[in-house]
Amino acid sequence: GAGVSQSPSNKVTEKGKDVELRCDPISGHTALYWYRQSLGQGLEFLIYFQGNSAPDKSGLPSDRFSAERTGGSVSTLTIQRTQQEDSAVYLCASSLTTGQPGYTFGSGTRLTVV
Amino acid sequence: AQKVTQAQTEISVVEKEDVTLDCVYETRDTTYYLFWYKQPPSGELVFLIRRNSFDEQNEISGRYSWNFQKSTSSFNFTITASQVVDSAVYFCALSDFNKFYFGSGTKLNVKP
Repeated sequence: GAGVSQSPSNKVTEKGKDVELRCDPISGHTALYWYRQSLGQGLEFLIYFQGNSAPDKSGLPSDRFSAERTGGSVSTLTIQRTQQEDSAVYLCASSLTTGQPGYTFGSGTRLTVV
Repeated sequence: AQKVTQAQTEISVVEKEDVTLDCVYETRDTTYYLFWYKQPPSGELVFLIRRNSFDEQNEISGRYSWNFQKSTSSFNFTITASQVVDSAVYFCALSDFNKFYFGSGTKLNVKP
């Protein structure tokens, strides 16, 4: 596609439920990144993919968070047993490849855990 | 460790004033990139500029200009003759090619 597409744009969920956030990168971009932006904060790195592999998962805050990427394209970020502190905007970005200095960001998914 | 500091949390100016947003970074890498992004109320991050560590030339793009000084590890951003549409959160970021390290952002309010 023309840009990075994320869905849903907004998600409200009850504490304890699982959620899946989707990212569809720019066509042909092999590198894909997930970031989290909590209210009034900067962006926090979560994980990145090169192809379907995730060389760096260091930013995932707990084992409730996982991500996968299939077919070198769409990625899903899953949060299990959501907590209120998971409320944030989850941003996805893609670039042609890793080592490419600069990405295109999606519009994000605003997750609210009530 | 990589770190980006934006000490100004929020700045308010009146339209047509000039404003400078400060950014200080820390890195041990010799090769790195610095960025500025704009995040308007809509939430999307808009790329403004990329600078590599070997290019200290200042850059001007319309009303925007950037001052990169390796000696002070700073990459400051100036908006000349600010406009209401410049109101947004501005993020400075450092890239080591694989991921970005973002500052906490500076919220700019431009009042008519």
